[in-house]
This record gives sequence, structure tokens and C-alpha cells, in this order.
Amino acid sequence: GIQVEQSPPDLILQEGANSTLRCNFSDSVNNLQWFHQNPWGQLINLFYIPSGTKQNGRLSATTVATERYSLLYISSSQTTDSGVYFCAATGNQFYFGTGTSLTVIP
Amino acid sequence: GAGVSQTPSNKVTEKGKYVELRCDPISGHTALYWYRQSLGQGPEFLIYFQGTGAADDSGLPNDRFFAVRPEGSVSTLKIQRTERGDSAVYLCASSPTGTGGSGELFFGEGSRLTVL
Repeated sequence: GIQVEQSPPDLILQEGANSTLRCNFSDSVNNLQWFHQNPWGQLINLFYIPSGTKQNGRLSATTVATERYSLLYISSSQTTDSGVYFCAATGNQFYFGTGTSLTVIP
Repeated sequence: GAGVSQTPSNKVTEKGKYVELRCDPISGHTALYWYRQSLGQGPEFLIYFQGTGAADDSGLPNDRFFAVRPEGSVSTLKIQRTERGDSAVYLCASSPTGTGGSGELFFGEGSRLTVL
């Protein structure tokens, strides 16, 4: 199956700071999604982004499929952004990375 | 329904017992996935349904695990002779299309299984 690697594994930010999370995948994929897992365990869809760039408020994502990576940008971080961010890439089914654990401190 | 619904939200059972976990996908979604997530890990694929049939069950860890989707909507994950290592959060997701088309995945809130 597809290998999905995320970096960094852990990140601590001061409120208001910006950050970039990276997702590398080992093979061609049909699609890629970013999720935020909140402290209650719910996986919230952030972006469905097989290629190109999308923006939603303070968040944006870019996938460069030919180079097998995707980036998630968080600007002006807030404490509610804390949690684990996962990317998932599709081959025959969605393969998840091990996540980036983000803590935003006030 | 409006979202993916999973029941029960929490299940505590004793080693050796039988457990069923239910998933009600978003109405009209043809693809349904089961994942398992242990503490500190990413979700691990178990099985994928396209309609009523299991299109890929390569993630089921052993023959104690079985899943059905008899009418192409609600799915049940069944675990026989539970073991302590089965303790995890079991996540269900649905998608308007299956892989290949690879529609967007939408997850339920999960069923937390604890085997004592």
C-alpha cells in the first residue's frame, strides 16, 4: 500500500503564529484529504485536495501530486486549532499518516 | 441522515465476548469504510464496501473480525471472542463514490471499545 509520512510529529505554537504541516506519499494517488481530529476524537474534514491549492479562512492546502507531497498552512493560529492533523492518500483505499500533534498555547 | 452515525459510542466488554458495532452512513453514499484507531496512532484500514459487497477486506486482522452491509446502507462490524488487544476506537466513514473515483471521506464519531 501507499506509505504516508507526516512532519513534524509534534508542534507547539504561540497563539497567533503561523505553521506549515507536510505530508509525503510514496506513490501516485487518486486523491488526498486533510483532517483535524479534535480532542473528542472526531475527524473533521479540512480539505479534499488531489492537486492544486485551496483556502478556507485561516487554513490553506497545496498538493503537488507529481512530487508526491501536500502542505497544510495554518495562519494566525488559535487555541481551538489544537489537536492532531492527519493526511490520508488514496490508492485502493485511504491510507493515513501518523499525524501531526499541534498544541497552540495562549 | 445528516452525518455518519455510529452506535454504541462506548462499549465495555469482557475478554471472550462477542461485540457488534453499527454504522449508518450518509444517505446515498455508496462506499463505506471501517477503520480502527489505537491511542497515538493514525486510523488503520479494516474493510471497504462498495454497495453490499466487501470490495477490500485486506485490513481485517484475523477471522474473529467480520463485517456486513446487507442492504447497501447500514453496516455492522462483528468481533468474536474479543481480546484485550481489540480495545480501540472503531471509526466508520462513508463516501459518495468508491476508490478509483475516490470521493471525499466523511467520518462518524467512532465507537470506543474497551475489552477488560
